[in-house]
Amino acid sequence: QVQLVQSGAEVKKPGSSVKVSCKASGGTFSSYAISWVRQAPGQGLEWMGGIIPIFGTANYAQKFQGRVTITADESTSTAYMELSSLRSEDTAVYYCAQTEVVRGFSSLTWGQGTLVTVSS
Amino acid sequence: QSALTQPRSVSGSPGQSVTISCTGTSSDVGGYNYVSWYQQHPGKAPKLMIYDVSKRPSGVPDRFSGSKSGNTASLTISGLQAEDEADYYCCSYAGSSHVVFGGGTKLTVL
Repeated sequence: QVQLVQSGAEVKKPGSSVKVSCKASGGTFSSYAISWVRQAPGQGLEWMGGIIPIFGTANYAQKFQGRVTITADESTSTAYMELSSLRSEDTAVYYCAQTEVVRGFSSLTWGQGTLVTVSS
Repeated sequence: QSALTQPRSVSGSPGQSVTISCTGTSSDVGGYNYVSWYQQHPGKAPKLMIYDVSKRPSGVPDRFSGSKSGNTASLTISGLQAEDEADYYCCSYAGSSHVVFGGGTKLTVL
């Protein structure tokens, strides 16, 4: 059973960038997709995008196109999500999740979440 | 891509059944049998409860069931228990390796 461990909480200034990592252990990293989902305080879940490490090509929600970059390093079984031009509305918990294409793009395994706070 | 539509809240008494709806379009819910449901308790990561419309991952009680008709999917929880009180989110594949979530439904066990 894969476990996903994310990097720690971040505090960023408006206009800056943040890069969150998601390290997988205990399973096969490359053959699954990794999705990134965020949740603003008191709000719902929002899919940002995903990547299948073995293919290396990421897909992004239209809302985040041009501002988010999702990458994966197979050698370290780690996925990354970088969000740029941060604004206060980007304050949220960011989750990575192992997404199974063969299970209808559902996600059984989730990281613990990383709180990103954007504040001047 | 617009979020799927869920009721903001539902409630039920212990032992009763509740159903949460999730309405999308023919481009997501109606176009694929790839609807999943997640349970989220406060401060916790989401937990997968249903995938592929009606399948349960190992360990999920059979009190949880899913279905779909047209552009609307549903999650039914029978024999409500106190620990079922949580937020529930539907999610659908929307083509081109994209997924979309619903706005979430708060379930209160009275």
